[in-house]
This record gives sequence, structure tokens and C-alpha cells, in this order.
Amino acid sequence: DAKTTQPPSMDCAEGRAANLPCNHSTISGNEYVYWYRQIHSQGPQYIIHGLKNNETNEMASLIITEDRKSSTLILPHATLRDTAVYYCIRFPGGYNKLIFGAGTRLAVHP
Amino acid sequence: DTGVSQDPRHKITKRGQNVTFRCDPISEHNRLYWYRQTLGQGPEFLTYFQNEAQLEKSRLLSDRFSAERPKGSFSTLEIQRTEQGDSAMYLCASSLVGGRSGNQPQHFGDGTRLSIL
Repeated sequence: DAKTTQPPSMDCAEGRAANLPCNHSTISGNEYVYWYRQIHSQGPQYIIHGLKNNETNEMASLIITEDRKSSTLILPHATLRDTAVYYCIRFPGGYNKLIFGAGTRLAVHP
Repeated sequence: DTGVSQDPRHKITKRGQNVTFRCDPISEHNRLYWYRQTLGQGPEFLTYFQNEAQLEKSRLLSDRFSAERPKGSFSTLEIQRTEQGDSAMYLCASSLVGGRSGNQPQHFGDGTRLSIL
């Protein structure tokens, strides 16, 4: 049971921001929100994670709502190379296995 | 680049044969994980090691599967008497857990794609 809900697919124009939503309404206080992506024929790539506060790194920004029931991954200027399946995962601190759902298939088009 | 390395990238074998895959984790990482991914699905956890100790095995890991990490560095995953249903991508990941850095994210290799004829 992945326990997160993501839209199955999204489209984005190249150069525009891609905003990928994730619902995790039953998240526990000690569970982080992790985002990975998987480009065709490659292994999953770590993007970003957060607990309560919004986070930003060189790849993306993560916005977590105040009640922590949902989050949004933002790719500020999507490129064709961002076409991938994006996974939102709940991950308790100190836990071990990642539980992947079906993810969101993001298609970036020219 | 000293990321997670997996070998081979592709393996084609006949049903009933044994196969072995190797994973070399990021050098300072103390945890190593194996996942399996079938077409159109997200990866599924198989097992993980803390240094050389295998600490958890999924129900997906039948008796035909065995994993080792003998010196706490590289790991091997062996499948005996392969079946059609074993066709999948086998992914390895590693992470650094504990210490001053806290729990770091898992980083994945590009997997070994197994095809059973």
C-alpha cells in the first residue's frame, strides 16, 4: 500500500513550470515526503525530500501544505529531459524500504 | 562518477537456469537494497543489508532467491531455477544511515534487466 495518490499522467510545455501534486492525507508525524523520478530504462533518481518545511535544491522545489496532507513538486523550467515517471513516497525516519506507487508520468513537449 | 553500479545490464537466459547479478554500492554507504520492477509498475522491495547483515526479506523473495553481501561492500543476488515470472528489472540501491549525516536518501543503480526465454 503506497498510501499516496498522484495523477497518472501530466503534460507540460518546455520552459514552463511543472507542478506535480501528491496527496498523502494519512501521513504520520514522523514520515518524510520523498520524491524520485525514473527516466526510461534507468533506475529511480532521488530528487528531494521534506518533513514540514518547504525545500529547494538544484533540481526542484517541494511545497508541503501546513497540515502535511499534500505536497507539490515543482520543476521551475521543465526541459525535454524531465520527461519521466515521478514518484511521491511517504518514508518514516529510520525506516528502510521505499514503497513505490504507480507515480505520475510527466511528458514535457516542445 | 562513483554511483551505484550493477552488472550485467542485461541478462537473457533459458527457463530453469541459474543467474547471478552483482551490485557495487556507493563506497561509504552502509546499507544496500534490492528491488524488483516489472513493466509498468513501480519498484518493489526485496531485501536489504546493513553492512554484511541481511536484516529484512520481502515475501517476494522466494526460496529460489538468495542475496549476499559478504564483506559489507558489493552484493550479489542469485536466482536459481529461473521461471518466466522472474523476468523483470532488478534494481540495487544504497544509502548511508546513522552517524552525523543522519539518514541519507537511497541512490539507485540502473538495474539488471532479466529476460527468461
